[in-house]
Amino acid sequence: AAGVIQSPRHLIKEKRETATLKCYPIPRHDTVYWYQQGPGQDPQFLISFYEKMQSDKGSIPDRFSAQQFSDYHSELNMSSLELGDSALYFCASSPSLTSAGGEQFFGPGTRLTVL
Amino acid sequence: GESVGLHLPTLSVQEGDNSIINCAYSNSASDYFIWYKQESGKGPQFIIDIRSNMDKRQGQRVTVLLNKTVKHLSLQIAATQPGDSAVYFCAESEIQGAQKLVFGQGTRLTINP
Repeated sequence: AAGVIQSPRHLIKEKRETATLKCYPIPRHDTVYWYQQGPGQDPQFLISFYEKMQSDKGSIPDRFSAQQFSDYHSELNMSSLELGDSALYFCASSPSLTSAGGEQFFGPGTRLTVL
Repeated sequence: GESVGLHLPTLSVQEGDNSIINCAYSNSASDYFIWYKQESGKGPQFIIDIRSNMDKRQGQRVTVLLNKTVKHLSLQIAATQPGDSAVYFCAESEIQGAQKLVFGQGTRLTINP
């Protein structure tokens, strides 16, 4: 079965650089979520999209932005990177925002290292 | 979710024994709960879920118990196997609305041979 695809899997950047993370949801999933997981920590919700519109926003820094495109893939853009941005970034997708609660399927994550 | 730093609670059990992992949640409005398993370097993997109108749900070798009175969730794993070694997270969300997941503190489960 198709799963959530994230690219790149690993990314190394210098401080103050920019990074773009991509997420391709499971086919026919129209809702995408982004989470950040620091070392030894639980995943923290950043932002979500439903039908290409932002549906919720969590603890996402102003330096970060995201969008969902017409093919439902999503990109997380991170600027002015800081050392503390080093983390695993997960994308998850679900069939529909209105499906009355449901499993979110997680991708393998992108490991971002800021030097 | 709460940041708990690098020191996850740990649980070690013998292979074949049963294990119970506990989780407390804080949002009274949460009405959907999920247990995820996360292996090193991988994304969270769905184990089992339960809605707030239930207090128990069983899957294959796993059972989730929900106590809404004390906002407590537990995951029971029967006859543990080496492949069960991982970090386990509970997560909560609201069925209505944006349905973002709020993760609880993870527990590292180690199965000893």
